Amino acid sequence: DAGVTQSPTHLIKTRGQQVTLRCSPISGHKSVSWYQQVLGQGPQFIFQYYEKEERGRGNFPDRFSARQFPNYSSELNVNALLLGDSALYLCASSLSLSRETQYFGPGTRLLVL
Amino acid sequence: GEDVEQSLFLSVREGDSSVINCTYTDSSSTYLYWYKQEPGAGLQLLTYIFSNMDMKQDQRLTVLLNKKDKHLSLRIADTQTGDSAIYFCAESHGSTGNQFYFGTGTSLTVIP
Repeated sequence: DAGVTQSPTHLIKTRGQQVTLRCSPISGHKSVSWYQQVLGQGPQFIFQYYEKEERGRGNFPDRFSARQFPNYSSELNVNALLLGDSALYLCASSLSLSRETQYFGPGTRLLVL
Repeated sequence: GEDVEQSLFLSVREGDSSVINCTYTDSSSTYLYWYKQEPGAGLQLLTYIFSNMDMKQDQRLTVLLNKKDKHLSLRIADTQTGDSAIYFCAESHGSTGNQFYFGTGTSLTVIP
């Protein structure tokens, strides 16, 4: 079975632009979470979605938004990009909302110039 | 995160045991996890432990949990060069218990 997939793998944007990152969860998994990993740090929780509804949000500004589709795939949008948004963005999927193990994708590396 | 702490670096010789330590903050965390990240890659789940357990062994990996001290450790027996990576501990948080807080990661270097 395919694991969590993310696209694109790499992305370069300039300050002020907008970006959309995509994630497909493991087949059968209904929950998707997004994390930001800045170089040299651990991943920071951004969002969790389940059955197309937001079920958790980390301490990130409103420039960050996400959605989940009926097929459980998800998009993360970041508006008005800042240099500090440069990071590896990780998507994780789990079967449901309870304290389930999360499986991570390879990430999208975003560079903001 | 919620101050999940790890030492930054660890260096061991091939064949020795490695012990990576972590302290966490939320005594209500039900599950605690260990993930491995190789350069340029995502996170690979290594193992996890339920909070009512003291120890879990899985092949070369042994996880020890001290709930009183909120201390978690990962022991890798017979460490190999392929074990060189960054290791993250994580605790689950939130109303769903499915929002993970990660430590800063421990960079393990295995010397041949």
